[in-house]
Amino acid sequence: GQQLNQSPQSMFIQEGEDVSMNCTSSSIFNTWLWYKQDPGEGPVLLIALYKAGELTSNGRLTAQFGITRKDSFLNISASIPSDVGIYFCAGVSGAGSYQLTFGKGTKLSVIP
Amino acid sequence: ETGVTQTPRHLVMGMTNKKSLKCEQHLGHNAMYWYKQSAKKPLELMFVYSLEERVENNSVPSRFSPECPNSSHLFLHLHTLQPEDSALYLCASSQAQGLDYGYTFGSGTRLTVV
Repeated sequence: GQQLNQSPQSMFIQEGEDVSMNCTSSSIFNTWLWYKQDPGEGPVLLIALYKAGELTSNGRLTAQFGITRKDSFLNISASIPSDVGIYFCAGVSGAGSYQLTFGKGTKLSVIP
Repeated sequence: ETGVTQTPRHLVMGMTNKKSLKCEQHLGHNAMYWYKQSAKKPLELMFVYSLEERVENNSVPSRFSPECPNSSHLFLHLHTLQPEDSALYLCASSQAQGLDYGYTFGSGTRLTVV
């Protein structure tokens, strides 16, 4: 089946640093989504990307839909302690698809 | 408030107990999902209901039994669970016709089997 390779698996960064994580796949996706999961909560949608090459921002977060449609990255600028959590990428493979394909997540820890 | 409400938030049950997890959404979605999230493991899809019909059952043991009485409600009935079933159980909903906005997740039920 389809798989998303998400990296890195975990990160420890200093407050104020920028963060970058990415997802790659051997399959093409029509939509890329980035979620954040706070400890003890469900994932919450951060950014959705719909077109190859699209670059979208949400505050300090920026995500891009790769030109090949097989990858996406998420950047967080000037990290703050509340950025801690697990970040998941997810892909939608085609029209009529009812199931997201998730990456395994990137666990972010921010050191004050 | 995410729009998807799961109850209870925490549940401790013995291996011989029977309990049910409840999920409710009022987003007008018509597809609902159960996921299992264990420590250090990726999200595992358990069941998918689309338009109130079960369309996916990912080789889940029969001690987990889903029920979707209408498009707004989803249950997960639990009986004779094992300690390895302890996990965060997440419910999600979406539009069955397309996933442009992905899923909306609930906050989860933290289940501990003792």
